[in-house]
Amino acid sequence: DIQMTQSPSSLSASIGDRVTITCRTSQGVRSFLNWYQLKPGKAPKLLIYAVSTLQSGVPSRFSGSGSGTDFTLTISSLQPEDFATYYCQQSSNIPYTFGQGTNLETK
Amino acid sequence: EVQLVESGGGLVQPGGSLRLSCVASGFTFNNYWMTWVRQAPGKGLEWVANIKEDGSEKYYVDSVKGRFTISRDNAKKSLYLQMSSLRAEDTAVYYCVRLRSGYGDSLDYWGQGTLVTVSS
Repeated sequence: DIQMTQSPSSLSASIGDRVTITCRTSQGVRSFLNWYQLKPGKAPKLLIYAVSTLQSGVPSRFSGSGSGTDFTLTISSLQPEDFATYYCQQSSNIPYTFGQGTNLETK
Repeated sequence: EVQLVESGGGLVQPGGSLRLSCVASGFTFNNYWMTWVRQAPGKGLEWVANIKEDGSEKYYVDSVKGRFTISRDNAKKSLYLQMSSLRAEDTAVYYCVRLRSGYGDSLDYWGQGTLVTVSS
């Protein structure tokens, strides 16, 4: 199985901050790396697919980058609605696996 | 608008069975792979199973192999998860998810989830 190491596990930030979350995979996943946002009581939301492509309707302050085994999700200027938990996920191999999650909290 | 609505969750005793259902709308159901993902209380997301558009291919996480069966009825635009020999560690919110092939094989639409609690 491909192991996903996501960091940090939690992060305190303020409105307007630039935030970066990293995801490292135990082996190469080509372009099969996606990012999701979870909020309590709401359906999870796809943010970024295929490493760097913004899902339709997702604000442009979100971006993804990386290659091989190292990937990042960046929020360029944090907004109040961005406080949530974020997960990376690989679809290169079965079983699909997720990172442990990053809980983004207000400072 | 794409919608996925799960049902069938509830309280079940260890060793028991439960069948989850998901009704899809707003897209051509038989053109997509479908997926179940779960989240145990206080834990992260875990992929459970995938099923191909026509049901001819199915894949499972090791921890549910032989106990869970994913299936679909394209005429009813419905996805199912038959769960048996349930264990306490199967307690989770189960999400019905659309898999978009060719786009990072991403999970692009999720239902709200249905809670399964395995406890005596």
